[in-house]
Amino acid sequence: DAGVIQSPRHEVTEMGQEVTLRCKPISGHNSLFWYRQTMMRGLELLIYFNNNVPIDDSGMPEDRFSAKMPNASFSTLKIQPSEPRDSAVYFCASRTRTGRGGYTFGSGTRLTVV
Amino acid sequence: DQQVKQNSPSLSVQEGRISILNCDYTNSMFDYFLWYKKYPAEGPTFLISISSIKDKNEDGRFTVFLNKSAKHLSLHIVPSQPGDSAVYFCAANSGGGADGLTFGKGTHLIIQP
Repeated sequence: DAGVIQSPRHEVTEMGQEVTLRCKPISGHNSLFWYRQTMMRGLELLIYFNNNVPIDDSGMPEDRFSAKMPNASFSTLKIQPSEPRDSAVYFCASRTRTGRGGYTFGSGTRLTVV
Repeated sequence: DQQVKQNSPSLSVQEGRISILNCDYTNSMFDYFLWYKKYPAEGPTFLISISSIKDKNEDGRFTVFLNKSAKHLSLHIVPSQPGDSAVYFCAANSGGGADGLTFGKGTHLIIQP
């Protein structure tokens, strides 16, 4: 099992550019979560999907942020246009719907917007 | 408003002694609690969890205690080892587990030789 795979590991971009972060969940997991980690706010939930359907996007900070899950094995988080305050580590996690635990995190994407 | 609070940003403990990490929560709907461990440049990894119907759960050197009336939980590590040095996150959820986790800001545990 390769775990949750995120790409890229690091991204440096200029303010105003579009940024796309990618996530491949664990096969068989049917819930996927996007988190953002900053010093000020810690780990905060941005959006999550169940069976590829977005369930709660109330954590998405602004309309500049969007997320999609076109199939069970792939999800993207897009920021357009990016701003320096978007600099953070973005984590993707997946789990099965059964049970109460089982959240597995990827290694994260460190985004720096200059 | 932080629903899960870890009030100690860092904690230093001698190797071999007990490490106690604390967590408080405000949302009465939370009914499942988890601890995650995070090393630099890695994602959080699951450590131990507890349901609100229990007050204690033990797994090897790790024990989590839950005091529902005080809305407080703690993680005990005995004995502490150098490899335990990491950031520890307390997390909680409700709704039968369908929702995402709400995390505290973490406590950086440093185990001194």
